[in-house]
Amino acid sequence: DTGVSQNPRHKITKRGQNVTFRCDPISEHNRLYWYRQTLGQGPEFLTYFQNEAQLEKSRLLSDRFSAERPKGSFSTLEIQRTEQGDSAMYLCASSTPLGTSGHNEQFFGPGTRLTVL
Amino acid sequence: AQKVTQAQTEISVVEKEDVTLDCVYETRDTTYYLFWYKQPPSGELVFLIRRNSFDEQNEISGRYSWNFQKSTSSFNFTITASQVVDSAVYFCALSEGTSGSRLTFGEGTQLTVNP
Repeated sequence: DTGVSQNPRHKITKRGQNVTFRCDPISEHNRLYWYRQTLGQGPEFLTYFQNEAQLEKSRLLSDRFSAERPKGSFSTLEIQRTEQGDSAMYLCASSTPLGTSGHNEQFFGPGTRLTVL
Repeated sequence: AQKVTQAQTEISVVEKEDVTLDCVYETRDTTYYLFWYKQPPSGELVFLIRRNSFDEQNEISGRYSWNFQKSTSSFNFTITASQVVDSAVYFCALSEGTSGSRLTFGEGTQLTVNP
């Protein structure tokens, strides 16, 4: 198992363009999360999936953002009409199904660094 | 609403010194989980520890130890005999309830261990 992978690792785009990022979670993990991290700050929650169902979305996730996990495996995060304020590191994490332990730790991928010019 | 505060923005120590990173949290839930993550210069967040609100036992793992005190809503992290490889940003995080969803992170503490 190679852990959570994200592609691309870096993306530079011009303002107004659309971008899409991909996340492949650890294979047996049914929960998948997206976070955004700006320089000098902690990660901020965007949304999460349990299997293919999107169960929670942050207010940070404006209508320009959309996330999918169509088959309950990999996920994509799309940003439409990018703005300079969207420049950040986008992190994906996954976790195992909840069991008697309650809440399992999330394992993070290396992130996709987005720069909007 | 849940909140995590890491008051120490940056800490600089000399190798072999002990260092404690502070974390204070706010939550209205009686069931919650606390975490520490390490983010080295490479950028990938590395899970260190998880604690649930019903287990106040302190934990030691090698040079790392954690002190959880519900009375002061704190979950502090101590590195004993620090090493240069410990240099990283350390994040404390909180998750509420048993549903297992969002992590709320603090702003992180940049630890620099000098040789």
